[in-house]
Amino acid sequence: DSGVTQTPKHLITATGQRVTLRCSPRSGDLSVYWYQQSLDQGLQFLIQYYNGEERAKGNILERFSAQQFPDLHSELNLSSLELGDSALYFCASSVAGVGNTIYFGEGSWLTVV
Amino acid sequence: SQQGEEDPQALSIQEGENATMNCSYKTSINNLQWYRQNSGRGLVHLILIRSNEREKHSGRLRVTLDTSKKSSSLLITASRAADTASYFCATDALESGAGSYQLTFGKGTKLSVIP
Repeated sequence: DSGVTQTPKHLITATGQRVTLRCSPRSGDLSVYWYQQSLDQGLQFLIQYYNGEERAKGNILERFSAQQFPDLHSELNLSSLELGDSALYFCASSVAGVGNTIYFGEGSWLTVV
Repeated sequence: SQQGEEDPQALSIQEGENATMNCSYKTSINNLQWYRQNSGRGLVHLILIRSNEREKHSGRLRVTLDTSKKSSSLLITASRAADTASYFCATDALESGAGSYQLTFGKGTKLSVIP
């Protein structure tokens, strides 16, 4: 158990809908990361927050947004969902930045039908 | 875009044999990390090697890093059926800093250890 908690574990939704994925980082970790894993694209970095502020942005679509709250939990919002958004979404956390081990949650399986 | 590229894409060995996986990357890095992922599960951190280190051991794992060749290898000795998983290398770019930290993953090596 990495200590990173993600909910929900699985969800199925229709195209055009909006979903919110939730992440609780490990106790004491200030950085939260979101990654998307799909068969064709592999593991793609989406976005990083550090102590509530956005610090790095990767291949995150404009239809997606994220935030980190004062209690350090984070949410990833996916809107206007398309079939291609079906993937495993990971949240990860670390104490701080460079050189620190990043711990991953078990992921949220999103299926868009 | 992928920074690390693992080789081979798939590897099948008998229990007790050693497994070697390679990773090549393109740009200068601060650190390189190896992760394991069981099918459909989260990634488990195995080992981190810094750019000024050449070799690191952890139990049955041995990682080497050659920054001049921009490559790393992961050796698993005396493999077990429970080692069956996908293995990923991940790098962070040299310009990471000021709280910005982004790991870039390769596509992984799928290891099958046959009992």
